[in-house]
Amino acid sequence: GAVVSQHPSWVICKSGTSVKIECRSLDFQATTMFWYRQFPKQSLMLMATSNEGSKATYEQGVEKDKFLINHASLTLSTLTVTSAHPEDSSFYICSGVVSGNQPQHFGDGTRLSIL
Amino acid sequence: QQQVKQSPQSLIVQKGGISIINCAYENTAFDYFPWYQQFPGKGPALLIAIRPDVSEKKEGRFTISFNKSAKQFSLHIMDSQPGDSATYFCAAIDGNKLVFGAGTILRVKS
Repeated sequence: GAVVSQHPSWVICKSGTSVKIECRSLDFQATTMFWYRQFPKQSLMLMATSNEGSKATYEQGVEKDKFLINHASLTLSTLTVTSAHPEDSSFYICSGVVSGNQPQHFGDGTRLSIL
Repeated sequence: QQQVKQSPQSLIVQKGGISIINCAYENTAFDYFPWYQQFPGKGPALLIAIRPDVSEKKEGRFTISFNKSAKQFSLHIMDSQPGDSATYFCAAIDGNKLVFGAGTILRVKS
Protein backbone atom coordinates (compact mmCIF):
# COMPACT_ATOMS: atom_id res chain seq x y z
CA GLY A 1 0.00 0.00 0.00
CA ALA A 2 0.88 3.74 0.05
CA VAL A 3 1.92 4.02 -3.57
CA VAL A 4 2.86 7.34 -5.10
CA SER A 5 3.13 7.58 -8.87
CA GLN A 6 5.11 10.28 -10.59
CA HIS A 7 4.94 11.19 -14.27
CA PRO A 8 6.92 11.58 -16.42
CA SER A 9 9.91 9.61 -15.18
CA TRP A 10 12.30 11.39 -17.54
CA VAL A 11 11.96 14.55 -19.60
CA ILE A 12 14.40 16.36 -21.84
CA CYS A 13 13.49 19.79 -23.14
CA LYS A 14 14.95 22.97 -24.52
CA SER A 15 15.94 25.92 -22.38
CA GLY A 16 13.09 28.36 -21.91
CA THR A 17 10.27 25.85 -22.01
CA SER A 18 7.97 24.95 -19.13
CA VAL A 19 7.67 21.44 -17.81
CA LYS A 20 4.88 19.95 -15.72
CA ILE A 21 5.43 16.99 -13.39
CA GLU A 22 2.51 15.08 -11.90
CA CYS A 23 2.44 13.33 -8.54
CA ARG A 24 -0.45 11.02 -7.69
CA SER A 25 -1.20 9.05 -4.55
CA LEU A 26 -2.77 5.86 -5.91
CA ASP A 27 -4.17 4.12 -2.86
CA PHE A 28 -4.42 6.79 -0.17
CA GLN A 29 -5.50 10.37 0.21
CA ALA A 30 -2.53 12.66 0.70
CA THR A 31 -3.58 15.67 2.70
CA THR A 32 -0.07 16.97 2.30
CA MET A 33 2.37 16.52 -0.55
CA PHE A 34 6.00 17.53 -0.67
CA TRP A 35 8.34 18.32 -3.53
CA TYR A 36 12.06 17.66 -3.29
CA ARG A 37 15.03 18.21 -5.54
CA GLN A 38 18.05 15.92 -5.50
CA PHE A 39 21.34 16.61 -7.24
CA PRO A 40 23.71 13.71 -8.04
CA LYS A 41 25.23 12.07 -4.98
CA GLN A 42 23.43 14.47 -2.66
CA SER A 43 20.56 14.25 -0.23
CA LEU A 44 17.00 15.33 -0.89
CA MET A 45 16.31 19.03 -0.44
CA LEU A 46 12.76 20.06 0.37
CA MET A 47 11.45 22.63 -2.09
CA ALA A 48 7.87 23.11 -0.94
CA THR A 49 4.99 21.71 1.06
CA SER A 50 1.49 21.72 -0.36
CA ASN A 51 -1.81 21.05 1.33
CA GLU A 52 -4.86 20.20 -0.71
CA GLY A 53 -6.80 23.27 -1.68
CA SER A 54 -4.35 25.82 -0.37
CA LYS A 55 -1.22 27.61 -1.55
CA ALA A 56 2.08 25.83 -1.26
CA THR A 57 4.65 26.84 1.31
CA TYR A 58 8.09 27.25 -0.23
CA GLU A 59 11.43 26.72 1.47
CA GLN A 60 13.85 29.58 1.70
CA GLY A 61 15.66 30.16 -1.57
CA VAL A 62 13.08 28.42 -3.75
CA GLU A 63 11.45 30.75 -6.26
CA LYS A 64 7.69 30.31 -6.06
CA ASP A 65 7.16 31.99 -9.44
CA LYS A 66 9.55 29.56 -11.10
CA PHE A 67 8.33 26.39 -9.42
CA LEU A 68 4.54 26.48 -9.55
CA ILE A 69 2.82 23.94 -7.35
CA ASN A 70 -0.84 23.01 -7.53
CA HIS A 71 -2.54 20.57 -5.16
CA ALA A 72 -6.06 20.49 -6.52
CA SER A 73 -7.17 17.20 -5.00
CA LEU A 74 -6.22 14.75 -2.26
CA THR A 75 -4.57 12.50 -4.83
CA LEU A 76 -2.87 14.88 -7.25
CA SER A 77 -0.20 17.54 -7.00
CA THR A 78 1.67 19.10 -9.91
CA LEU A 79 4.97 20.92 -10.13
CA THR A 80 5.54 23.18 -13.12
CA VAL A 81 9.06 24.39 -13.78
CA THR A 82 8.56 27.59 -15.75
CA SER A 83 11.10 28.89 -18.27
CA ALA A 84 13.45 26.07 -17.38
CA HIS A 85 17.20 26.56 -17.75
CA PRO A 86 20.10 24.09 -17.63
CA GLU A 87 20.70 24.83 -13.93
CA ASP A 88 17.21 23.49 -13.23
CA SER A 89 18.30 20.06 -14.43
CA SER A 90 17.90 17.73 -11.49
CA PHE A 91 15.98 14.79 -10.06
CA TYR A 92 12.61 15.97 -8.75
CA ILE A 93 10.82 13.75 -6.26
CA CYS A 94 7.40 14.09 -4.68
CA SER A 95 5.97 12.47 -1.58
CA GLY A 96 2.62 12.23 0.09
CA VAL A 97 1.48 11.81 3.65
CA VAL A 98 -1.92 11.07 5.10
CA SER A 99 -1.62 13.23 8.19
CA GLY A 100 0.52 14.42 11.05
CA ASN A 101 3.88 12.84 11.62
CA GLN A 102 3.18 9.75 9.56
CA PRO A 103 5.90 8.51 7.22
CA GLN A 104 6.11 10.09 3.81
CA HIS A 105 5.73 7.86 0.78
CA PHE A 106 7.80 8.81 -2.23
CA GLY A 107 7.32 8.63 -5.95
CA ASP A 108 10.06 7.30 -8.19
CA GLY A 109 11.18 10.76 -9.23
CA THR A 110 11.43 12.67 -12.48
CA ARG A 111 14.78 13.16 -14.16
CA LEU A 112 14.65 16.63 -15.75
CA SER A 113 17.32 17.55 -18.29
CA ILE A 114 17.31 21.02 -19.81
CA LEU A 115 19.40 21.46 -22.94
CA GLN B 1 23.13 23.88 8.95
CA GLN B 2 22.78 20.14 8.92
CA GLN B 3 20.16 19.12 11.45
CA VAL B 4 20.72 15.39 11.07
CA LYS B 5 24.32 14.26 10.77
CA GLN B 6 24.92 10.90 9.11
CA SER B 7 28.05 8.80 8.89
CA PRO B 8 29.85 7.22 7.20
CA GLN B 9 29.51 8.79 3.77
CA SER B 10 30.23 5.43 2.16
CA LEU B 11 30.60 1.88 3.38
CA ILE B 12 31.86 -1.35 1.90
CA VAL B 13 30.84 -4.59 3.60
CA GLN B 14 31.43 -8.21 2.70
CA LYS B 15 28.44 -10.39 1.98
CA GLY B 16 27.09 -11.79 5.23
CA GLY B 17 28.61 -9.00 7.29
CA ILE B 18 26.91 -6.32 9.39
CA SER B 19 26.41 -2.85 7.95
CA ILE B 20 26.15 -0.05 10.50
CA ILE B 21 25.12 3.51 9.73
CA ASN B 22 24.97 6.19 12.41
CA CYS B 23 23.00 9.39 12.76
CA ALA B 24 22.87 12.17 15.31
CA TYR B 25 20.51 15.07 15.80
CA GLU B 26 20.18 18.20 17.92
CA ASN B 27 16.56 19.21 17.62
CA THR B 28 14.64 17.64 20.50
CA ALA B 29 11.37 18.47 18.71
CA PHE B 30 12.02 15.57 16.32
CA ASP B 31 9.53 12.85 17.18
CA TYR B 32 9.81 10.23 14.47
CA PHE B 33 12.91 8.75 12.89
CA PRO B 34 12.56 6.85 9.60
CA TRP B 35 15.24 5.26 7.47
CA TYR B 36 14.96 5.29 3.70
CA GLN B 37 16.65 3.14 1.07
CA GLN B 38 17.23 4.59 -2.38
CA PHE B 39 18.38 2.78 -5.50
CA PRO B 40 19.82 4.73 -8.45
CA GLY B 41 17.13 6.49 -10.47
CA LYS B 42 14.42 5.70 -7.93
CA GLY B 43 12.73 7.56 -5.13
CA PRO B 44 13.49 6.72 -1.49
CA ALA B 45 11.56 3.81 -0.01
CA LEU B 46 10.68 3.64 3.67
CA LEU B 47 12.71 0.86 5.26
CA ILE B 48 12.02 1.04 8.97
CA ALA B 49 11.14 3.76 11.48
CA ILE B 50 11.17 4.34 15.21
CA ARG B 51 9.68 6.73 17.73
CA PRO B 52 11.83 8.16 20.55
CA ASP B 53 10.05 6.24 23.30
CA VAL B 54 11.46 2.98 21.95
CA SER B 55 15.14 2.00 22.21
CA GLU B 56 15.20 -0.64 19.52
CA LYS B 57 13.10 -1.87 16.63
CA LYS B 58 13.79 -4.89 14.49
CA GLU B 59 12.24 -5.85 11.18
CA GLY B 60 13.82 -8.85 9.54
CA ARG B 61 17.51 -8.14 8.96
CA PHE B 62 17.11 -4.43 9.74
CA THR B 63 17.37 -3.03 13.27
CA ILE B 64 17.22 0.55 14.51
CA SER B 65 18.91 1.35 17.81
CA PHE B 66 17.85 4.62 19.41
CA ASN B 67 19.59 6.49 22.23
CA LYS B 68 17.40 9.39 23.25
CA SER B 69 19.76 10.84 25.86
CA ALA B 70 22.65 10.90 23.38
CA LYS B 71 20.38 12.01 20.52
CA GLN B 72 21.77 9.29 18.32
CA PHE B 73 20.29 6.47 16.32
CA SER B 74 21.70 3.83 14.06
CA LEU B 75 20.72 1.29 11.43
CA HIS B 76 22.14 -2.21 11.53
CA ILE B 77 21.78 -4.48 8.52
CA MET B 78 22.51 -8.05 9.50
CA ASP B 79 23.69 -10.65 7.00
CA SER B 80 24.22 -7.93 4.39
CA GLN B 81 23.54 -9.00 0.79
CA PRO B 82 24.64 -7.57 -2.57
CA GLY B 83 21.00 -6.59 -3.14
CA ASP B 84 21.28 -4.27 -0.14
CA SER B 85 23.74 -2.09 -2.09
CA ALA B 86 22.01 1.29 -2.21
CA THR B 87 22.06 4.72 -0.62
CA TYR B 88 20.59 4.89 2.86
CA PHE B 89 19.20 8.05 4.41
CA CYS B 90 18.31 8.55 8.03
CA ALA B 91 15.71 11.20 8.65
CA ALA B 92 13.78 12.93 11.38
CA ILE B 93 10.35 14.49 11.43
CA ASP B 94 9.50 17.80 13.06
CA GLY B 95 5.79 18.43 12.69
CA ASN B 96 5.24 17.25 9.14
CA LYS B 97 8.64 18.17 7.72
CA LEU B 98 11.16 15.48 6.97
CA VAL B 99 14.81 16.35 7.50
CA PHE B 100 17.26 14.02 5.77
CA GLY B 101 20.78 13.07 6.64
CA ALA B 102 23.42 13.36 3.92
CA GLY B 103 23.16 9.70 2.98
CA THR B 104 25.42 6.65 3.09
CA ILE B 105 26.35 4.75 -0.04
CA LEU B 106 26.49 1.09 0.89
CA ARG B 107 28.21 -1.47 -1.26
CA VAL B 108 28.02 -5.13 -0.32
CA LYS B 109 30.72 -7.20 -1.97
CA SER B 110 29.87 -10.75 -2.95
